Amino acid sequence: AQSVTQLDSQVPVFEEAPVELRCNYSSSVSVYLFWYVQYPNQGLQLLLKYLSGSTLVKGINGFEAEFNKSQTSFHLRKPSVHISDTAEYFCAGVLVRGGADGLTFGKGTHLIIQP
Amino acid sequence: EAGVTQFPSHSVIEKGQTVTLRCDPISGHDNLYWYRRVMGKEIKFLLHFVKESKQDESGMPNNRFLAERTGGTYSTLKVQPAELEDSGVYFCASSAQGDTEAFFGQGTRLTVV
Repeated sequence: AQSVTQLDSQVPVFEEAPVELRCNYSSSVSVYLFWYVQYPNQGLQLLLKYLSGSTLVKGINGFEAEFNKSQTSFHLRKPSVHISDTAEYFCAGVLVRGGADGLTFGKGTHLIIQP
Repeated sequence: EAGVTQFPSHSVIEKGQTVTLRCDPISGHDNLYWYRRVMGKEIKFLLHFVKESKQDESGMPNNRFLAERTGGTYSTLKVQPAELEDSGVYFCASSAQGDTEAFFGQGTRLTVV
């Protein structure tokens, strides 16, 4: 992707409440989109990815995201969060073309779960 | 199966010194990437190896940074001489040929003082 934007630097939410982390991308050509999560003192772990096909993709730990081409968005959602979801979440994209190019990341969103 | 490993996990060096970061990708992964996250900013792509060849090094900030991947296995990223603005977390990732999923290491936190 040419750019990926995560407008929210942090999102506080109460435990068991739903959450949506926003991601918008900018690209003149097709892109693959990803959400990664970084738990404290760990590396980045892939939550889910959109390559093609169904616009609603399900990932690990109960997360899902919806690709919306008209709104150039790929928001991440979870219906009920847990304390263990406290982490930083990164949206990333790459242009669809031959080869495995490097990812373009958003700035990340800290998800803060309040008991 | 071991994941992507990076060494060291932390490094504190003085301005002007040299530091070498190492990344061991997942065995068999042809693609190896280096990224950097400066505090408060997004994770930025530095370069991409396919086996031992540099496929794309457009993200390398300047010629103080030198990446190598001799033999197409592990990779090193050398910063010489280090400057204060080089501080940040350096991530390595690898993926198999034709695979869209990149696996990340835990990162090396570099602090230049």
